[in-house]
Amino acid sequence: NAGVTQTPKFRILKIGQSMTLQCAQDMNHNYMYWYRQDPGMGLKLIYYSVGAGITDKGEVPNGYNVSRSTTEDFPLRLELAAPSQTSVYFCASSYLRQSNSPLHFGNGTRLTVT
Amino acid sequence: AQTVTQSQPEMSVQEAETVTLSCTYDTSENNYYLFWYKQPPSRQMILVIRQEAYKQQNATENRFSVNFQKAAKSFSLKISDSQLGDTAMYFCAFRISAQGGSEKLVFGKGTKLTVNP
Repeated sequence: NAGVTQTPKFRILKIGQSMTLQCAQDMNHNYMYWYRQDPGMGLKLIYYSVGAGITDKGEVPNGYNVSRSTTEDFPLRLELAAPSQTSVYFCASSYLRQSNSPLHFGNGTRLTVT
Repeated sequence: AQTVTQSQPEMSVQEAETVTLSCTYDTSENNYYLFWYKQPPSRQMILVIRQEAYKQQNATENRFSVNFQKAAKSFSLKISDSQLGDTAMYFCAFRISAQGGSEKLVFGKGTKLTVNP
């Protein structure tokens, strides 16, 4: 049971470059999330999705885009990388809304923008 | 504003002893869920324990238990018989479902716990 799979694990980008962080889950979860974790901080929500074709902004969406064409996949796109986007990115999924369903997290992607 | 405050950036405990991590939160919602997540050096986020706000009984999971005080908006985590493998960052979080289908999971800044042999 793979759970939530994120790729890549590490990436270094130059300022202005673009990249896509991949996230896939095999648990048939409706809800998927992208968080970023800055050093010494908790997680902040970037974007989330309640199902295929539906996405919405979280706390810190600027500089990012997402899509949800299938239930399984929820890629995060950085179009013009900036040093402020240096962070660890976590994808997560959950089954139900309005429940005590916990989040299942991927192992994270460490991104450095220089 | 909906916030989570973990007032202890770092804590340490001797192996086999008990430690309590504090967490307070602020929300005007009545229905929400509270969680403690553990993040070991491997970086993976692992659910430790959860609590429904409408339940008065404190949740327990083996060596982990919570002291949930809804009126005080407090949700502390007690770890009994601490083990070396408990060394990790611990994040308190609460989750609410808002109108229009939006969803919020708000995290605290974390407490770094070190269990010493």
